[in-house]
Amino acid sequence: GAGVSQSPSNKVTEKGKDVELRCDPISGHTALYWYRQSLGQGLEFLIYFQGNSAPDKSGLPSDRFSAERTGGSVSTLTIQRTQQEDSAVYLCASSLAAGDQPQHFGDGTRLSIL
Amino acid sequence: ILNVEQSPQSLHVQEGDSTNFTCSFPSSNFYALHWYRWETAKSPEALFVMTLNGDEKKKGRISATLNTKEGYSYLYIKGSQPEDSATYLCARIPNSGNQFYFGTGTSLTVIP
Repeated sequence: GAGVSQSPSNKVTEKGKDVELRCDPISGHTALYWYRQSLGQGLEFLIYFQGNSAPDKSGLPSDRFSAERTGGSVSTLTIQRTQQEDSAVYLCASSLAAGDQPQHFGDGTRLSIL
Repeated sequence: ILNVEQSPQSLHVQEGDSTNFTCSFPSSNFYALHWYRWETAKSPEALFVMTLNGDEKKKGRISATLNTKEGYSYLYIKGSQPEDSATYLCARIPNSGNQFYFGTGTSLTVIP
């Protein structure tokens, strides 16, 4: 079946603009994660959704970042008033459950803020 | 250890050599340890999920061990091949089972 799909694959935008990144998880996967990888850094946890539970937003770096997951499936990560330090690869992953199930990653969105 | 640490940061080996690298993590509040392989221009791919102290997992020429009491996991590659060239990431999951704490990875280059 289809894997995790992310769009767009690349996004270049001007500082101060808002951006929206999309993630389509594998059908039936209840857990969905967003990460980012900045240049030279490891994977940084941003937010986690599990079923209908309230998301774990503890990794979001500022209030300019928000995410939602509609109908327990598609998720969007929104960055408002983008800054140059937001430039990174944003990865989405889904799994059957949290913790003890492998994560399936999308190909990521490469975000560049000019 | 407060964070997940991986060593070495990078490694170059000759084709056919066997190699191993380390993932160190806080031993308290442990739930699971994951290993992923991340090839250039691709997305990370799951290798192993390990939960029990003493766990050993194997997938072809790649194997991993887990010591939760002392807080480390080893990844072994036997007879390295050029296609093994990738960054190998480990992630610790604490008892809450929610957050994944990734290391910065070990970059492996296998020279033909």
